[in-house]
Amino acid sequence: NAGVTQTPKFQVLKTGQSMTLQCAQDMNHNSMYWYRQDPGMGLRLIYYSASEGTTDKGEVPNGYNVSRLNKREFSLRLESAAPSQTSVYFCASSDRGGQGAYEQYFGPGTRLTVT
Amino acid sequence: QQQVKQSPQSLIVQKGGISIINCAYENTAFDYFPWYQQFPGKGPALLIAIRPDVSEKKEGRFTISFNKSAKQFSLHIMDSQPGDSATYFCAASIRGGYSTLTFGKGTMLLVSP
Repeated sequence: NAGVTQTPKFQVLKTGQSMTLQCAQDMNHNSMYWYRQDPGMGLRLIYYSASEGTTDKGEVPNGYNVSRLNKREFSLRLESAAPSQTSVYFCASSDRGGQGAYEQYFGPGTRLTVT
Repeated sequence: QQQVKQSPQSLIVQKGGISIINCAYENTAFDYFPWYQQFPGKGPALLIAIRPDVSEKKEGRFTISFNKSAKQFSLHIMDSQPGDSATYFCAASIRGGYSTLTFGKGTMLLVSP
């Protein structure tokens, strides 16, 4: 069981370039999430997918798009990268747990630098 | 508007001491309060969680205390060890149906040997 995997681990982009961050989970979870983590800002939700075929905006969706490719995979795309998108990106997945609580399982993160 | 406020931002505790991290929330509909632990270079992982129908939950050296009337909850780490040095995030959500987690901004804990 690999859990949640993310590729790439590190990436450097120039302003205006595009890229897609990949995420996959092997826990058969229905829900998947993308967060960004910046110093002193905690974890901020970018987009999430409650179930296969649905996606919704989180707290900071501007500049990003997502695709829920199938139940396992959820990708995050930066169409035109900006220095403000320099961050560590985490993918997570979850399913309904005990008494309705949703424990989220996180991947190892992608460290993105936009110059 | 930040819905979950966490303090302190950073904390240094001597080995064997008690580490205390506090969180306050605003949304009274929240009814699930997890704490996540994150080591450098890793993703966060669930440490312990509590529901508001209990005032305290203990797992080993980690205890959550919950005060529903004050809308506050805290994490206590007893007998803190250098291996506990990590960033800790409190969070809140609404159980049942579907709800995302709202995270605090995190506390960087350093336990000195």
